[in-house]
Amino acid sequence: DGGITQSPKYLFRKEGQNVTLSCEQNLNHDAMYWYRQDPGQGLRLIYYSQIVNDFQKGDIAEGYSVSREKKESFPLTVTSAQKNPTAFYLCASSIDRGDEQFFGPGTRLTVL
Amino acid sequence: AQSVTQLGSHVSVSEGALVLLRCNYSSSVPPYLFWYVQYPNQGLQLLLKYTTGATLVKGINGFEAEFKKSETSFHLTKPSAHMSDAAEYFCAVSVDQGGKLIFGQGTELSVKP
Repeated sequence: DGGITQSPKYLFRKEGQNVTLSCEQNLNHDAMYWYRQDPGQGLRLIYYSQIVNDFQKGDIAEGYSVSREKKESFPLTVTSAQKNPTAFYLCASSIDRGDEQFFGPGTRLTVL
Repeated sequence: AQSVTQLGSHVSVSEGALVLLRCNYSSSVPPYLFWYVQYPNQGLQLLLKYTTGATLVKGINGFEAEFKKSETSFHLTKPSAHMSDAAEYFCAVSVDQGGKLIFGQGTELSVKP
């Protein structure tokens, strides 16, 4: 089955540590996205990528970094510079710009 | 700037009653509009979308939405609520070439037996 996988589902880290969240898709989509979800705040865009080796900052990119070395993979690193990293992180992909986005199951990150 | 407003962060209905979740958007150009549903600790699933053409859009699970340009609205409805409809619902708009979606704050739907 085609889809988007995110791993791990739950992640715990100590304050000050960098952590990388995985996102893989086998839908052959060009565009991929990372969102952060906090209670009562909807989804906020962190980074997005329209093609391999290219990505743009979203609305809340500070303290995060990404790479897009392969079409199917778009990992997100939460760095120690992110002041409040505890949140639910969602990865998505779409065939092209403006198309509907397909979402992964999410990773819940808790920083202790 | 584009924005999406969902009226009511929480809506409660009885099983079998009409579901109405409100969404208004602001956009200076014709938008693409989406409704997504999210169950606890899961990703978002597309319910329906409007791009062009017929303004009444039918989606999965018996939901539908009507694009009303004059009212800048895209309200989500379902004639008869089921217990399994309890979830959070997000309205989203896409207007620029970057394909970015702007999400509303979400509406949590509760269904009472």
